[in-house]
Amino acid sequence: ETGVTQTPRHLVMGMTNKKSLKCEQHLGHNAMYWYKQSAKKPLELMFVYNFKEQTENNSVPSRFSPECPNSSHLFLHLHTLQPEDSALYLCASSLIGTSGTDTQYFGPGTRLTVL
Amino acid sequence: KQEVTQIPAALSVPEGENLVLNCSFTDSAIYNLQWFRQDPGKGLTSLLLIQSSQREQTSGRLNASLDKSSGRSTLYIAASQPGDSATYLCAVTRSATNKLIFGTGTLLAVQP
Repeated sequence: ETGVTQTPRHLVMGMTNKKSLKCEQHLGHNAMYWYKQSAKKPLELMFVYNFKEQTENNSVPSRFSPECPNSSHLFLHLHTLQPEDSALYLCASSLIGTSGTDTQYFGPGTRLTVL
Repeated sequence: KQEVTQIPAALSVPEGENLVLNCSFTDSAIYNLQWFRQDPGKGLTSLLLIQSSQREQTSGRLNASLDKSSGRSTLYIAASQPGDSATYLCAVTRSATNKLIFGTGTLLAVQP
């Protein structure tokens, strides 16, 4: 266990549904991250939050809406997704997001399938 | 735009062999390079971090080297074991941030 949990582990949704992914870290970290891992493509950074403030949005479509109410919790709200959004969504945390030498601790991921 | 490539995409070796995984990056202006392993259903685990001023890092049977000027890193695994079977990912950061740019990974299978 890395100290980062994600729920649900698997999610199947239709294109008109609204759902949310949840990430929680128990490590006392201040930075949290969302990544997307699609088949045959490199793992891709989506968002970074540092001390609850969004510091990075990697040109992510607005149908993905992140929320970070505190340093321990991170959500990814999903609406009107496309089948090509099917992927493994990974959450990570690190002590701070600006050092360049922090180790990121990853959760197990949510496997999302959009029908 | 930074691109990270890993060769080979997949590798199968018998237990006990020493092996080398390769990572190359197109922009040598990196801040650091990290190697991760990914196990099915368990997310990623950081193995080694090499800062741009360093040439190598070692942890147990793992040794990672960095040649920044040529845009290459290698991960050497000594005396491989079936428990080493996983996908190995390398990632670079450009500046003093934690914005990782990942390669596509090498799927390693160590046969008992």
